[in-house]
Amino acid sequence: KAGVTQTPRYLIKTRGQQVTLSCSPISGHRSVSWYQQTPGQGLQFLFEYFSETQRNKGNFPGRFSGRQFSNSRSEMNVSTLELGDSALYLCASSLGGSRYGYTFGSGTRLTVV
Amino acid sequence: TQLLEQSPQFLSIQEGENLTVYCNSSSVFSSLQWYRQEPGEGPVLLVTVVTGGEVKKLKRLTFQFGDARKDSSLHITAAQPGDTGLYLCAGAGRNFGNEKLTFGTGTRLTIIP
Repeated sequence: KAGVTQTPRYLIKTRGQQVTLSCSPISGHRSVSWYQQTPGQGLQFLFEYFSETQRNKGNFPGRFSGRQFSNSRSEMNVSTLELGDSALYLCASSLGGSRYGYTFGSGTRLTVV
Repeated sequence: TQLLEQSPQFLSIQEGENLTVYCNSSSVFSSLQWYRQEPGEGPVLLVTVVTGGEVKKLKRLTFQFGDARKDSSLHITAAQPGDTGLYLCAGAGRNFGNEKLTFGTGTRLTIIP
């Protein structure tokens, strides 16, 4: 079966711009989570959606937002980009949460210049 | 804030040797997962442990969840070059439904042929 698909794989943006990242989960998975990975901070939780509802949120500023559609696909938006937003953004899907484990996509490498 | 400390941070050993990676926290987790990540890719789930004291084996890998559900270990027997990668532990919140995964600091393992 198809895995978690994230698009685009690579992205270069300028400070102040906004960006939208997309994630298509494994068919049948209703839970989608987003993480930011940087060399200094490691993997940090952004938010989790389940059946179109945000179920949990990490400690990121309001510039980071997301949503989930009825087909479970999810998007993440970052407005007013800062240099420090450069990172690998990972999406993960699950049948119903942590007890089932998460399948991660390959990520979107965002570079802010 | 839940924190997961992994040790060692870096480990380089010869092929055929055994090793153990530790994941420690002062917080209780409802479940704990181990992932392996290759450069430029997302983490891949190796195992999920749920019950305190639980031991799971995956070929040459043995995972243990502490009795108090605060810590875990990963033991690899007869390490092979294919085991090289970044190993991450991740704990799920104490209450079911709190699906924020807290990732450990990571152990970068290199197996020398």
